[in-house]
Amino acid sequence: KAGVTQTPRYLIKTRGQQVTLSCSPISGHRSVSWYQQTPGQGLQFLFEYFSETQRNKGNFPGRFSGRQFSNSRSEMNVSTLELGDSALYLCASSLQPQHFGDGTRLSIL
Amino acid sequence: DAKTTQPTSMDCAEGRAANLPCNHSTISGNEYVYWYRQIHSQGPQYIIHGLKNNETNEMASLIITEDRKSSTLILPHATLRDTAVYYCIVRDTGGTSYGKLTFGQGTILTVHP
Repeated sequence: KAGVTQTPRYLIKTRGQQVTLSCSPISGHRSVSWYQQTPGQGLQFLFEYFSETQRNKGNFPGRFSGRQFSNSRSEMNVSTLELGDSALYLCASSLQPQHFGDGTRLSIL
Repeated sequence: DAKTTQPTSMDCAEGRAANLPCNHSTISGNEYVYWYRQIHSQGPQYIIHGLKNNETNEMASLIITEDRKSSTLILPHATLRDTAVYYCIVRDTGGTSYGKLTFGQGTILTVHP
């Protein structure tokens, strides 16, 4: 059974650009959650989607957004990138418990 | 979700049991205890979870005290590959906790040869 797939694995952007990250959940899982991991703040919850609807949201600015498609695949978008957005972005799919992908490492120059 | 307290770091000899404690004194009746671990450069890996009974699977055992205010994750025969950050998480499964795990700083477990 395939796990959670996140693409791309690594990404380099410059300040002010925008970025879109993709997550394919485990087959049959309808919930997708996104997290940001930084050395200073640790793992923080961004938002969760279930059946194409955002069901829960963490404390992040509106520059961070997401969506989910009818096949449960999800994307997150970060606009107007800042240096502080450099992080490992993790996606988890859930039919309880959550199962994580290996993340996308985003570096902002 | 209730707050958890874990030691910052622990050491264990290879082949010995690793016992990782977690305090969750404000846990409520419908909150589960979850354990995850994260090996460098990988996403967190689910280990085990429980409500009030002790649980065991192929990876570990989870011992929850009768008052549910603390728990212990036991890796029965630690190997070098068990070196990781271990997170104890307490969460409700509904309402404002939909899809959300609240991670603390975790315990850095180092297994020595």
